[in-house]
Amino acid sequence: GQQVMQIPQYQHVQEGEDFTTYCNSSTTLSNIQWYKQRPGGHPVFLIQLVKSGEVKKQKRLTFQFGEAKKNSSLHITATQTTDVGTYFCALQGAQKLVFGQGTRLTINP
Amino acid sequence: NAGVTQTPKFQVLKTGQSMTLQCAQDMNHNSMYWYRQDPGMGLRLIYYSASEGTTDKGEVPNGYNVSRLNKREFSLRLESAAPSQTSVYFCASSELYGAGGRYTQYFGPGTRLTVL
Repeated sequence: GQQVMQIPQYQHVQEGEDFTTYCNSSTTLSNIQWYKQRPGGHPVFLIQLVKSGEVKKQKRLTFQFGEAKKNSSLHITATQTTDVGTYFCALQGAQKLVFGQGTRLTINP
Repeated sequence: NAGVTQTPKFQVLKTGQSMTLQCAQDMNHNSMYWYRQDPGMGLRLIYYSASEGTTDKGEVPNGYNVSRLNKREFSLRLESAAPSQTSVYFCASSELYGAGGRYTQYFGPGTRLTVL
């Protein structure tokens, strides 16, 4: 079945530093979604990318979909303590999503 | 709108006991899912129901059963709990929408289960 590799698994940064997580697939994707899970919470949908080369921004978060639609990234500029959590990418499968393993972001204030 | 609700929020079982985790959604979604998440790990799909009246196995179905009671409710049953089933269980729902058939999933708050 479809699989996605998400890296890094963990990232610790100083508050104010940037952060990036990557998702890579061996197959061409129809779309990719990103979710955020706060510590002790549940995953919450952030965004969906559909078009080749698409770039979307949500305040300090920038999401990109690769030109070949096989990879995606989430970049956070100038992290804040509210950004702490685990970020998951998810691929569209048949009637379900396939989630990456997630990148856990911790921040030193 | 409550979204996706799950009961109970916490549960402690002894090995061999059985229990049912309840999930309900009020968004009129056709599809519902059960995941487990072990500490520091990702989400693993246990079972899903693409539409009322259908259920399918996910990645880790062994030791679990599900019932899609109606369009709103999707329950997960542990017949004989084992310590390896200690985990956080999330229910989610989604709807097929848009050109190309995209699913966005909405998650419940989770059930934290410990099996001793």
